[in-house]
Amino acid sequence: GAVVSQHPSRVICKSGTSVKIECRSLDFQATTMFWYRQFPKKSLMLMATSNEGSKATYEQGVEKDKFLINHASLTLSTLTVTSAHPEDSSFYICSASLDGGDTQYFGPGTRLTVL
Amino acid sequence: GQSLEQPSEVTAVEGAIVQINCTYQTSGFYGLSWYQQHDGGAPTFLSYNALDGLEETGRFSSFLSRSDSYGYLLLQELQMKDSASYFCAVITDDKIIFGKGTRLHILP
Repeated sequence: GAVVSQHPSRVICKSGTSVKIECRSLDFQATTMFWYRQFPKKSLMLMATSNEGSKATYEQGVEKDKFLINHASLTLSTLTVTSAHPEDSSFYICSASLDGGDTQYFGPGTRLTVL
Repeated sequence: GQSLEQPSEVTAVEGAIVQINCTYQTSGFYGLSWYQQHDGGAPTFLSYNALDGLEETGRFSSFLSRSDSYGYLLLQELQMKDSASYFCAVITDDKIIFGKGTRLHILP
């Protein structure tokens, strides 16, 4: 149980385009979903926390207009990277929680490459 | 398929040593990472092993055996602040696969 999927697993796009990444909890309802970004061999950086039906809470330094998060249902959250640039290339990882944060189940990650 | 297995919970005594094992089955293996996560916080990177052997960083050490598809995190001189969840994660050529985490309980 407690499986989280992400789609796509890998995406390559041109600079200036927008990319949408989906995060789904497959067998449970996630009250809270988290979005992380990871650079090679470095800690996951929490980007934002989203609760179903409400606006996401962004961490300091994360541009909310660039990284749009929608958590429309208890099983789906989306991250849209708008007007992507090469410096946005990274692993984006989501996690989902049943209980608001104490236990998180991670998705497999999405590798974004912006050319 | 691809999978990681680690114990869901481990209990140890303050000042002792504890080992958290991780076995994996993946393709395109690059390396094994360990993360620590305290309740309500983001995971913190602890270590990365790409080659077989033991890597030591202070009280924490991480081991990898690629031939056995196995690794472990060793925590020495346990302190109460080490109570947290510990995740192993396999880095492949196109993704990171996280284990479900091991909750470490430390008794005084």
